Amino acid sequence: NAGVTQTPKFQVLKTGQSMTLQCAQDMNHNSMYWYRQDPGMGLRLIYYSASEGTTDKGEVPNGYNVSRLNKREFSLRLESAAPSQTSVYFCASSRWTSGGHGELFFGEGSRLTVL
Amino acid sequence: DQQVKQNSPSLSVQEGRISILNCDYTNSMFDYFLWYKKYPAEGPTFLISISSIKDKNEDGRFTVFLNKSAKHLSLHIVPSQPGDSAVYFCAASEGSGGGADGLTFGKGTHLIIQP
Repeated sequence: NAGVTQTPKFQVLKTGQSMTLQCAQDMNHNSMYWYRQDPGMGLRLIYYSASEGTTDKGEVPNGYNVSRLNKREFSLRLESAAPSQTSVYFCASSRWTSGGHGELFFGEGSRLTVL
Repeated sequence: DQQVKQNSPSLSVQEGRISILNCDYTNSMFDYFLWYKKYPAEGPTFLISISSIKDKNEDGRFTVFLNKSAKHLSLHIVPSQPGDSAVYFCAASEGSGGGADGLTFGKGTHLIIQP
């Protein structure tokens, strides 16, 4: 099973350029998430989608937009990249439903460098 | 303000000994706690979890202890093996949303198992 697949794995951008990180999961999960990991900062939630058709801001949403295209796919867009957005981005999914708990399954990460 | 704290950025343990990783939290609404393991250039993978109604959960060599009054949890690995060398993240979620709004992560502890 592929699980959670992210593309691209590596990307270098110039300041002001735009790009979209793609994420797809094949586990029929309801909820999907985008996190970023920075040295010494742990994992911080950018945006999440608790179910198809809904999206909500996380801890660090500024400079990003998301689209829950369907149940499988959740994309993250940087409209005008800034050096502060240099990071490793992780997509995750979960089978969470209202009132339940469960773990997140993560993709392998996308390393983005903004020059 | 950091709601999940891992105060030890790194920990070195001899192979065969016990590894103890600690985590403190400040949000009294957290009711589900998880540990994730992360190898370089890979996404985090779920290791073990515990609900706030329990104080201990075991899975093979891994045991998580929860002390609600102290808002403290710990992960014990016995015996430690070279493959356990990784970054370990403590994470927590609140019950009200069923966790669909994602997990809050600590900054991680880099565990190094020495032969």
